[in-house]
Amino acid sequence: GAVVSQHPSWVICKSGTSVKIECRSLDFQATTMFWYRQFPKQSLMLMATSNEGSKATYEQGVEKDKFLINHASLTLSTLTVTSAHPEDSSFYICSASWGTSGTDTQYFGPGTRLTVL
Amino acid sequence: KQEVTQIPAALSVPEGENLVLNCSFTDSAIYNLQWFRQDPGKGLTSLLLIQSSQREQTSGRLNASLDKSSGRSTLYIAASQPGDSATYLCAVELTFGEGTQLTVNP
Repeated sequence: GAVVSQHPSWVICKSGTSVKIECRSLDFQATTMFWYRQFPKQSLMLMATSNEGSKATYEQGVEKDKFLINHASLTLSTLTVTSAHPEDSSFYICSASWGTSGTDTQYFGPGTRLTVL
Repeated sequence: KQEVTQIPAALSVPEGENLVLNCSFTDSAIYNLQWFRQDPGKGLTSLLLIQSSQREQTSGRLNASLDKSSGRSTLYIAASQPGDSATYLCAVELTFGEGTQLTVNP
């Protein structure tokens, strides 16, 4: 089956620093990648949708200047949390899809746990 | 906007029991619905994917049904085992429910 990896799997950083999370589709070309955030004991919330070569589409309430998404190739998307604060501490999960919308099968990465001190 | 609701929020059963998890969604114009399992602090494991044209999917002890017209899906787990203990998430395309936390007691 299709495999999606994320790196790092966990990261601890100081408040005010920036953190980059990578999402890679290892054995297929992902036209679209999705970024989700999950707070403790809550479900996943879609943050943004990124299509290769174009700007990401952010969900309402997600600050695009704070969560920078780059999808420079068909196998790699990055999420950069800029000037991180403790309230950004969360579990971030990406998914990748062959298709161009959420109607196609998504393959999920293992997630990245971010803790901001 | 699609909304996905899962009932119950938590469920505790003795080992060997058959159980049903429920998922409802507000917009019946869907392409697919997927059930996932999430272990504490871990990522997602896809269990079953049902396309809108399908009514059910089966994998081992798991059976998922879909009734688009009523906006409902159920995940049936047969002969539950302690290893089934996890949170089960229902997702309609990009919208997730809040999950059902299942505990199977030995």
